[in-house]
Amino acid sequence: QQQVKQSPQSLIVQKGGISIINCAYENTAFDYFPWYQQFPGKGPALLIAIRPDVSEKKEGRFTISFNKSAKQFSLHIMDSQPGDSATYFCAATGNQFYFGTGTSLTVIP
Amino acid sequence: DTAVSQTPKYLVTQMGNDKSIKCEQNLGHDTMYWYKQDSKKFLKIMFSYNNKELIINETVPNRFSPKSPDKAHLNLHINSLELGDSAVYFCASSRGLAGINEQFFGPGTRLTVL
Repeated sequence: QQQVKQSPQSLIVQKGGISIINCAYENTAFDYFPWYQQFPGKGPALLIAIRPDVSEKKEGRFTISFNKSAKQFSLHIMDSQPGDSATYFCAATGNQFYFGTGTSLTVIP
Repeated sequence: DTAVSQTPKYLVTQMGNDKSIKCEQNLGHDTMYWYKQDSKKFLKIMFSYNNKELIINETVPNRFSPKSPDKAHLNLHINSLELGDSAVYFCASSRGLAGINEQFFGPGTRLTVL
C-alpha cells in the first residue's frame, strides 16, 4: 500500500514557469515531510523539508505548502530553470521513511 | 570525499549468477538502507539496519541477503539472479531511524541481468 501518493507522474514546464507537484498521505503519525531531488545517474538528495506545525517553508525558488487538515503538501518551484529538470520525490516519516512515486520534471528552455 | 559510496557502479551478469554490491558511509551514521529503483523511478525500500541490526525487511525474495559487518558498511548479496532483478540499487544512510533525519544516498549500482 502506497503510504504517500504523488502526482503528477511527469511534468513539462516552460523556463520561467511555476512547477507544482502534489502529495497526499493518510497516516497522521507522520511528523516530517521532506522532498528529495534526483538528477539522472545520481542518488536522491534532500531538497527541502517541513514539519506539520508549519504551513509553508520557502528556500530560494522552492516552497513547500502544507495543509495538515487535508493531509496534503506540495512543492512549488518558482521561475523554473532547465537545471531543475530532475525527478522529485516527496516523502513522509514517522518511525520509517515513506517515499512517493516520483515526478519527472522537464523544464523546456 | 564521498559520504556514501557503492561498488561497483555498473554490474552486468547472467541469470542464475550470484553477485554482491558493497556500500560504505563515512558520516558516522547509525542507520543504513538498501533501495531498489526500477525503470519507472519507483524507490522501493528493501532493508534497513540500525547499529548493525536488521530493522526493516520489506517483502523481498530470500535471494537477497544484506550483511552489515559494522556500522559503516552494509553489503547486499543476491543469489540466483533473475531478469526482474535488473534495476538501480541505492544504498543510503541516516543519523537515526526516520524522524527528521536526512537520508544520504550513494551514487547507485546499475544491475543488468541478461
